[in-house]
Amino acid sequence: GAVVSQHPSWVICKSGTSVKIECRSLDFQATTMFWYRQFPKQSLMLMATSNEGSKATYEQGVEKDKFLINHASLTLSTLTVTSAHPEDSSFYICSAPRLAGVAEQFFGPGTRLTVL
Amino acid sequence: QKEVEQNSGPLSVPEGAIASLNCTYSDRGSQSFFWYRQYSGKSPELIMFIYSNGDKEDGRFTAQLNKASQYVSLLIRDSQPSDSATYLCAVADAGNMLTFGGGTRLMVKP
Repeated sequence: GAVVSQHPSWVICKSGTSVKIECRSLDFQATTMFWYRQFPKQSLMLMATSNEGSKATYEQGVEKDKFLINHASLTLSTLTVTSAHPEDSSFYICSAPRLAGVAEQFFGPGTRLTVL
Repeated sequence: QKEVEQNSGPLSVPEGAIASLNCTYSDRGSQSFFWYRQYSGKSPELIMFIYSNGDKEDGRFTAQLNKASQYVSLLIRDSQPSDSATYLCAVADAGNMLTFGGGTRLMVKP
């Protein structure tokens, strides 16, 4: 199956710092990628849709100035959590559709963010 | 507001039994339906998808879809302890956006 990677796997940072998370599609091109957040014992919540060559589309309640998304190429999307605070501590997961226009998504392994 | 509902569980079944996981959804315009398995601390892994009414079988897994009742289920035959995980139901709309249910935690006891 299609492979999606994320880096880093986990990160611990001090409150007020910014953290960048990378999402790569390794064996296919993805014009669209999705960013999810998952708090403990809760389901995945879609944060935003990352679009190659255009602005990301954010879900209601997600601050676009805090969660910066850049879809630099057909295989790379980045999520930057700016001025992170303890309440931003969560499991961040990206995904990409196997094919353009297909709902089936492959997930990256996730990034565990802990903000002290 | 599109909703996908699952019983949070835990659903406990003995090894070798059939585990039945259920999911209902609110959006009648939903086009495709997915079951993901998520182990603790890991990201979701796609198990099955189904687009049409009826049953779809893949090994020990069977997905069942009833669009009229807005109901999708996953059956796991010959359950194994390694099947113990949280199972997420996801529903895609016409724009291929996924909405996830809260997940059902399955425990298979040896």
